[in-house]
Amino acid sequence: QKEVEQNSGPLSVPEGAIASLNCTYSDRVSQSFFWYRQYSGKSPELIMSIYSNGDKEDGRFTAQLNKASQYVSLLIRDSQPSDSATYLCAAMNRDDKIIFGKGTRLHILP
Amino acid sequence: SQTIHQWPATLVQPVGSPLSLECTVEGTSNPNLYWYRQAAGRGLQLLFYSVGIGQISSEVPQNLSASRPQDRQFILSSKKLLLSDSGFYLCAWSGLIRGGNTGELFFGEGSRLTVL
Repeated sequence: QKEVEQNSGPLSVPEGAIASLNCTYSDRVSQSFFWYRQYSGKSPELIMSIYSNGDKEDGRFTAQLNKASQYVSLLIRDSQPSDSATYLCAAMNRDDKIIFGKGTRLHILP
Repeated sequence: SQTIHQWPATLVQPVGSPLSLECTVEGTSNPNLYWYRQAAGRGLQLLFYSVGIGQISSEVPQNLSASRPQDRQFILSSKKLLLSDSGFYLCAWSGLIRGGNTGELFFGEGSRLTVL
């Protein structure tokens, strides 16, 4: 069973600090990786995609990929209360199958 | 711009009744289409995905089926619902870039199903 694993949390981070979210995947043929944010009762929305090893930055968000360790992370700098949500990690394989982790609940403390 | 429509938004159905959820995408051609289910407090479970008309890959459910009668239309069905089918059903599409799937999913608003 190919899986994507995340710590369910909740992860509590003070406002203004860096939130660090982690994800591991078991399918070595996974090629593309994604982070989504989901507010309670709403649909997920794409934050970042990352396709190659290293870091990718977009505003306050940085995604990191290490294919050798099968590890993906998301850093949120200058965390805001509006960042409080569930963050979903996803991986896509060569057959276009996209699998999600169970998500990490993030709480930003004012 | 691309949009995705999913309906109905909410439905309450008795056990054993049929189900039909519909999803359409506008503003793009030949999208990859996906159906996911999210049970209360749980992650997204992949149910079906389609890379083209008539091409459906089934991941898990025995009593659910999917069809793609047109390029931008994806339908989720059941002949007889089970209690365990309750959940938040999400349709999503992803586009192509340079012939390859970006994998970036854009979700509809979701259909919340309660089976009683």
